[in-house]
Amino acid sequence: TQLLEQSPQFLSIQEGENLTVYCNSSSVFSSLQWYRQEPGEGPVLLVTVVTGGEVKKLKRLTFQFGDARKDSSLHITAAQPGDTGLYLCAPQKGYGQNFVFGPGTRLSVLP
Amino acid sequence: DADVTQTPRNRITKTGKRIMLECSQTKGHDRMYWYRQDPGLGLQLIYYSFDVKDINKGEISDGYSVSRQAQAKFSLSLESAIPNQTALYFCATSESSGRAVEELFFGEGSRLTVL
Repeated sequence: TQLLEQSPQFLSIQEGENLTVYCNSSSVFSSLQWYRQEPGEGPVLLVTVVTGGEVKKLKRLTFQFGDARKDSSLHITAAQPGDTGLYLCAPQKGYGQNFVFGPGTRLSVLP
Repeated sequence: DADVTQTPRNRITKTGKRIMLECSQTKGHDRMYWYRQDPGLGLQLIYYSFDVKDINKGEISDGYSVSRQAQAKFSLSLESAIPNQTALYFCATSESSGRAVEELFFGEGSRLTVL
């Protein structure tokens, strides 16, 4: 079982601040997904990245897949209270294989 | 109504009792999954099914069993519940569209407490 780490584990910031969270592993992945989970709900897919070095933007969220496809980052610009939640990375080791979920970063954006 | 529905949403039971968590979906997806979520551990895969006649063990299947009664229904059973099975359980679905990467659609979760 690959070791999958997310950092920081917890993050509390003020509305308007920028932040970056990370997903790291020693394994190479064929793809990686980011999900956001709000309290009392199941995770919801934000993005899928498949190419090393790939950058995808979703409004104020910027996702990057590492060149070596071992890590990923999520950057949020001008965070809003609606961004509050648990951010989970879920890499896939190979085509058709199940996703493995990281422990998550719990983000709290205070108004 | 939710596309992926889990029942019950909350359950408190005692050690040794048999518990069933049910999942039904209206998305028409062929693949269904059961995950367990514990604080600080992310989501761990218990069992998954790619169609009605296909059942596969995940990372942490010991102490659990599943039944795929129909394409739309996938139930998780704890034959004799123990306190360390206290957790939040999620059902998820995905579509085998032939694309390399699938999206998982989750239910709202079933919180189980075993005393």
